[in-house]
Amino acid sequence: SQQGEEDPQALSIQEGENATMNCSYKTSINNLQWYRQNSGRGLVHLILIRSNEREKHSGRLRVTLDTSKKSSSLLITASRAADTASYFCATDAYGGADGLTFGKGTHLIIQP
Amino acid sequence: GAGVSQSPSNKVTEKGKDVELRCDPISGHTALYWYRQSLGQGLEFLIYFQGNSAPDKSGLPSDRFSAERTGGSVSTLTIQRTQQEDSAVYLCASSPGDRADNTQYFGPGTRLTVL
Repeated sequence: SQQGEEDPQALSIQEGENATMNCSYKTSINNLQWYRQNSGRGLVHLILIRSNEREKHSGRLRVTLDTSKKSSSLLITASRAADTASYFCATDAYGGADGLTFGKGTHLIIQP
Repeated sequence: GAGVSQSPSNKVTEKGKDVELRCDPISGHTALYWYRQSLGQGLEFLIYFQGNSAPDKSGLPSDRFSAERTGGSVSTLTIQRTQQEDSAVYLCASSPGDRADNTQYFGPGTRLTVL
């Protein structure tokens, strides 16, 4: 079954509010990454968190990782219209295949 | 520097025809990946190249799909006898090849439509 499932599938909030997306996965991992995709084309890497890290910040992004629950969250603070995009978590499975395993993504809409 | 480039950006073909998709990775990146993304879905891993090692083909959906990487740089993904279910965006990504940090840098993708 799918490794790296995001929740919710879609999220619509007002500009300035915070947006939280969650990701669950099934196997042990080396790291977990979050990517953003605009308009169904190339993905842009946002942040990588290693399996021995619990929290990481980058600008308005905050990522947490709970390996005991096999889950991660991505928080975008003070959202902007330009944050409208699809967000994917991707796991690098420990001892697994070499490609990342992506979830189906959360489509985030920021209402101006 | 230049990012990952892919060509063509769009390809429309008839069922049964062969297509070739090209990927130019970031210079110096030893790892190269192909993914497929169907409408509204996540990314499906297809194949992985690391340097001159034999590729990991475990994600290729059928024997109609093949890929090669010449000289450890440019890669082509070939789909023979295309079917309508092959319609998708095909994404290529490259990575420096450091197993401890496999951040992937994606190209803009090729949108393939099989009529």
